[in-house]
Formats: sequence, C-alpha cells, structure tokens
Amino acid sequence: NAGVTQTPKFQVLKTGQSMTLQCAQDMNHNSMYWYRQDPGMGLRLIYYSASEGTTDKGEVPNGYNVSRLNKREFSLRLESAAPSQTSVYFCASRQNTEAFFGQGTRLTVV
Amino acid sequence: RKEVEQDPGPFNVPEGATVAFNCTYSNSASQSFFWYRQDCRKEPKLLMSVYSSGNEDGRFTAQLNRASQYISLLIRDSKLSDSATYLCVVLNDYKLSFGAGTTVTVRA
Repeated sequence: NAGVTQTPKFQVLKTGQSMTLQCAQDMNHNSMYWYRQDPGMGLRLIYYSASEGTTDKGEVPNGYNVSRLNKREFSLRLESAAPSQTSVYFCASRQNTEAFFGQGTRLTVV
Repeated sequence: RKEVEQDPGPFNVPEGATVAFNCTYSNSASQSFFWYRQDCRKEPKLLMSVYSSGNEDGRFTAQLNRASQYISLLIRDSKLSDSATYLCVVLNDYKLSFGAGTTVTVRA
C-alpha cells in the first residue's frame, strides 16, 4: 500500500525554469493538499483541493499553479522558479480526519 | 494573524519528566483539531486527534478549549523517542492549517 507518492524526491532548478511536482494517492481520498516547509515556518498551505474538480488557494499561492487531474493525482507547477521557492514541498491527502503525507520533495532554485 | 500559532520552544526536558505546551487558533468556526509529530524534516504523522472533552492516548493527553481557542498537549513520563517537533493542526471546512511546531528534546 503506497499511500501518498511524491515525485521527484530532489530537484535543482535554475531561476526561471519551470517544473511540475507530482503527487498521487491510492487511498481514494477526496481532499488533497500542497504545503511548503521552510526553517522556522512550519508547513504553509499553498493550494488544496477539497474534491476532484475543485482547487482553492491556501496561505502562499503566489508563483504556483495546481491541477487536480483526477481523484488520485494533484500536481503543483512552478512556471518560473525563483530562489524564494527553495523549500521542502509536501503533498497530503485526507478523508475525514487523518491526513497522510508524501515523503516530500526537496527543491533548490539557484 | 496566523491561523494557528504555537510556542516554538525548544523544550529540553530529562527523561521521565512531564512537558506541556499549547497552541492557539484564530478561526472560532474551526471544526477539528489534531496533533501531528514530525521527525527531522520527514513527513508529519498523526499523533492524535483532539476532542472537546479531552482525550488520552497512552502518555499523551490532549485538551481543547473552544472558548479560549487553544489546544494543549501534555506528555507524561517522557522518553528519548519523544524528541520531535509537534505540530498543531486545525481543520476549517476542507482547509487544513498547521502551526509552526513546538520542538521537544528529551535528554538522558
């Protein structure tokens, strides 16, 4: 049982490059989330999707876009990466109470 | 104002000690509350849900005070393995918001 799978695990981008972080869950959960975590800041919500076909902005959406491709998959896109987007990114899915997280993507923008 | 605020600590306690810390939340309409644990920047994992009447899970006790909008976590008889960052989490509609975390270090 894979749970929540994020790819890639590590990525280095040059400023201005674009990339998509992939997230897939196999638990048939309705809600999915993208967070970023920076030292001393905790997890900050970028975007979330309450159910297939819906997405909403979180606390720090600027510079990001998301796609809820289907119930399983929720991707996060950086159109033009900036050094301020260097962070650890976590995807999560939730049904009812407990949220399950992927192992994170460590992104460095140089 | 941040939706969820926590005392960052760190709390540095000896084995066997009791440690307690709080978090506050800003949205009085929030429906559900949780404590998550995170080790060394790994993914967070659910420690326990927090119920209005308070609840225990082994050495861990969680309390919710809706009137004052705060949640607490108490750890009794601390173990070395309890060293971690504890994240306060609030659910409002479908939005799941995290506090910045409270770091606990248990020393031998």
